Amino acid sequence: DIQMTQSPSSVSASVGDRVTITCRASQGISSWLAWYQQKPGKAPKLLIHGASSLQSGVPSRFSGSGSGTDFTLTISSLQPEDFATYYCQQADSFPRTFGQGTKVEIK
Amino acid sequence: EVQLVESGGGLVQPGGSLRLSCAASGFTFSSYEMNWVRQAPGKGLEWVSYISSSGSTIYYADSVKGRFTISRDNAKNSLNLQMNSLRAEDTAVYYCARGTYSFYYWGQGTLVTVSS
Repeated sequence: DIQMTQSPSSVSASVGDRVTITCRASQGISSWLAWYQQKPGKAPKLLIHGASSLQSGVPSRFSGSGSGTDFTLTISSLQPEDFATYYCQQADSFPRTFGQGTKVEIK
Repeated sequence: EVQLVESGGGLVQPGGSLRLSCAASGFTFSSYEMNWVRQAPGKGLEWVSYISSSGSTIYYADSVKGRFTISRDNAKNSLNLQMNSLRAEDTAVYYCARGTYSFYYWGQGTLVTVSS
């Protein structure tokens, strides 16, 4: 199985800050990576698929990059509604696996 | 509008069984692959199972293999998860999610609690 490791596990940031979250796969997954945002009590929301393709309707301050084993999610200017937990997920093979999550908290 | 609505969750004793359902609407259900994803209280997301559009291809997480069975009824636009031999560690919110590679549409989730 492919293991997905996110870092950091949490980050404290202020509105307007640039935030970067890293996801590493235990083996190469090309660009088969998705990023999700989840708020408490809600289902996850797909932000990015194919490592860098922004899902329709997602603000352009979100961007994804990387291929192979190393990926990043960047929020260019953090907004109040962005405080949430973020997960990466590999789509290269079954079983699908998620990272452990990164909680973005208010500083 | 695409809608996925899970049902069937509840409290069950260890070793017991439960059947979850996901009612789909707003799209041609028979054309899409479906998944179950779960989230234990305060924990991260865990993919559970996948079923192809026709039902001919199925995958499970190792943690549920041999205990859970995914199925679908394309005539009724319904996805199911039969859960047997339930354990405390199966306690989670269970979501159905549409997609092959990534999951754009999710249900609201149904809570399964395994406890004596």
